[in-house]
Amino acid sequence: GENVEQHPSTLSVQEGDSAVIKCTYSDSASNYFPWYKQELGKGPQLIIDIRSNVGEKKDQRIAVTLNKTAKHFSLHITETQPEDSAVYFCAAVGWAGTALIFGKGTTLSVSS
Amino acid sequence: ETGVTQSPTHLIKTRGQQVTLRCSSQSGHNTVSWYQQALGQGPQFIFQYYREEENGRGNFPPRFSGLQFPNYSSELNVNALELDDSALYLCASSLGGTTNEKLFFGSGTQLSVL
Repeated sequence: GENVEQHPSTLSVQEGDSAVIKCTYSDSASNYFPWYKQELGKGPQLIIDIRSNVGEKKDQRIAVTLNKTAKHFSLHITETQPEDSAVYFCAAVGWAGTALIFGKGTTLSVSS
Repeated sequence: ETGVTQSPTHLIKTRGQQVTLRCSSQSGHNTVSWYQQALGQGPQFIFQYYREEENGRGNFPPRFSGLQFPNYSSELNVNALELDDSALYLCASSLGGTTNEKLFFGSGTQLSVL
């Protein structure tokens, strides 16, 4: 089945810097890759997603890139702000399309 | 438009007991998925319901069961609770049946098994 690896587990940056989180997946049939942000005491919130027929997608300060050949995808956050501090999860579709398989998460801390 | 709501927010049970968790899907969404999130881990897929039928299941034993109602709300039932069942249980709704795109999560039910 699908397996998703996520790195790094923790990331500390200064306000205004960029942050990059990387994920790899195992199932070449996976075709949908969302990123979620989870704040303390809340459920995961979808922040951006990408389908396998697209190499890059941007939404303001957030972008995601996908390399299907290497089976990895990355989240890029530019001009980080303290409110970006949270746990970020990548995911890929698994279980014959009925489930999201999540990475273990990256705790991002943005200090001002 | 209302988001995904879950109840209760917190629950404490003892080993061997049974528990029912409830979820109301986002307005217009017809598919509900349940995930278990252990402390410090990513969510793990339990099962998905579409048109009131189980549409997929992860690596969870049969004592984890569910229901979906005609209004698309859902329940997760866990029998014979074990200590390892302590976790945040997340409900997610989506529109699209067998796809898992654009899942919207509730805030979860924090279950503690003593």
